Amino acid sequence: GDSVTQMEGPVTLSEEAFLTINCTYTATGYPSLFWYVQYPGEGLQLLLKATKADDKGSNKGFEATYRKETTSFHLEKGSVQVSDSAVYFCALRIDGNEKLTFGTGTRLTIIP
Amino acid sequence: EPEVTQTPSHQVTQMGQEVILRCVPISNHLYFYWYRQILGQKVEFLVSFYNNEISEKSEIFDDQFSVERPDGSNFTLKIRSTKLEDSAMYFCASSTRQSSFFGQGTRLTVV
Repeated sequence: GDSVTQMEGPVTLSEEAFLTINCTYTATGYPSLFWYVQYPGEGLQLLLKATKADDKGSNKGFEATYRKETTSFHLEKGSVQVSDSAVYFCALRIDGNEKLTFGTGTRLTIIP
Repeated sequence: EPEVTQTPSHQVTQMGQEVILRCVPISNHLYFYWYRQILGQKVEFLVSFYNNEISEKSEIFDDQFSVERPDGSNFTLKIRSTKLEDSAMYFCASSTRQSSFFGQGTRLTVV
């Protein structure tokens, strides 16, 4: 079946550090890929997405590139801020099926 | 900006009681979903709803669960007889064919 494997957390970084959160997937069909973010006490917010191979999604300084050859969609940010502290979820959706399949989430804490 | 709204934000109920979780999806969306997140675990799909009927449901969504769109705007999840293991954060989502948008969630605590 379809699945998403995410880097285990928690991850703690200093402000302005470089961030990578790894995400790989297994899919029976052709997936669209997403990163969602959950700030403390809030719901899930769409951070970025990519719908086909080699697409790069970007938002708020975060980027992720859809790599079909390595079935990956790693999240990166060049310089993190304290306000980026949150739980990050990688997810996929297969074309023709509307539900999302999520990874386990990675808790990120940025210290000043 | 349009958003998905859920009520209540937190509900505490006794085991065996019925609960109804409410959601108002984004108005021009056609697909509606419920997901749940048990504390510390991944977000799990429960059910999707399209054209006034269930389009897909997971193994979790057994006979104790039901969904309804009673008035064309609200979208509800009913749990008939709650169990302790139903304690979780329940998220409603609605979507276009491109992206899903989530509500803030309802934290359900069964005691």
